Amino acid sequence: DIQMTQSPSSLSAFVGDRVTITCRASQSISTSLNWYQQKSGKAPKLLIYAASSLQSGVPSRFSGSGSGTDFTLTISSLQGEDFATYFCQQTYRSPQTFGQGTKVEI
Amino acid sequence: QVQLVQSGAEVKKPGASVKVSCKASGYTFSNHAMHWVRQAPGQRLEWMGWFNPGIGSTKYSQKFQGRVTVTSDTSASTAYMELSSLRSEDTAVYYCARENHSYGSGSYHYYMDVWGKGTTVTVSS
Repeated sequence: DIQMTQSPSSLSAFVGDRVTITCRASQSISTSLNWYQQKSGKAPKLLIYAASSLQSGVPSRFSGSGSGTDFTLTISSLQGEDFATYFCQQTYRSPQTFGQGTKVEI
Repeated sequence: QVQLVQSGAEVKKPGASVKVSCKASGYTFSNHAMHWVRQAPGQRLEWMGWFNPGIGSTKYSQKFQGRVTVTSDTSASTAYMELSSLRSEDTAVYYCARENHSYGSGSYHYYMDVWGKGTTVTVSS
């Protein structure tokens, strides 16, 4: 299985900060990488698909980049509603696998 | 609007089976595959399997092969996931999620764009 490793596992930030989360795949996955946001007790919400495409309705402060094995999710100016856990997911090869998550805290 | 409504929480004894339902609305059910993903307490999301109602095909994670069955009732726009031989480690929130796809850079990209709210399954003696 392809292993997905995120860093950091958690971070503290202020409203207005620029936040960057990285995701590394154990082998090349082209751009078959998605990002999700999950708030406590809620279902995940799709933010970015195909590494850099913004899902409809998601604020433009979220962006994704990368290809191959290294990917980045950036929040350009952190807002109060962005405090959550973020997961990456590879869909290049079955079984689809997820990162362990990055918790963004105040 | 597009929505997936899952069945309610379940409490099961070790060795039993559980069947979770996921009713879709707001889109043509047969046009999208449905995935099942679980999340044990404090753990990462874990993909279990996939069913494509349009072509009637399934695919399962090897980890759950032989214990999980995903099906659907197209007339009712409802997907089902049944997990058997339950053990305490199966205590988790189980999600259904609709698959969508895009085409770019010469290949298809798949993602889960709509999720159910989750069904908590507790396995305890």
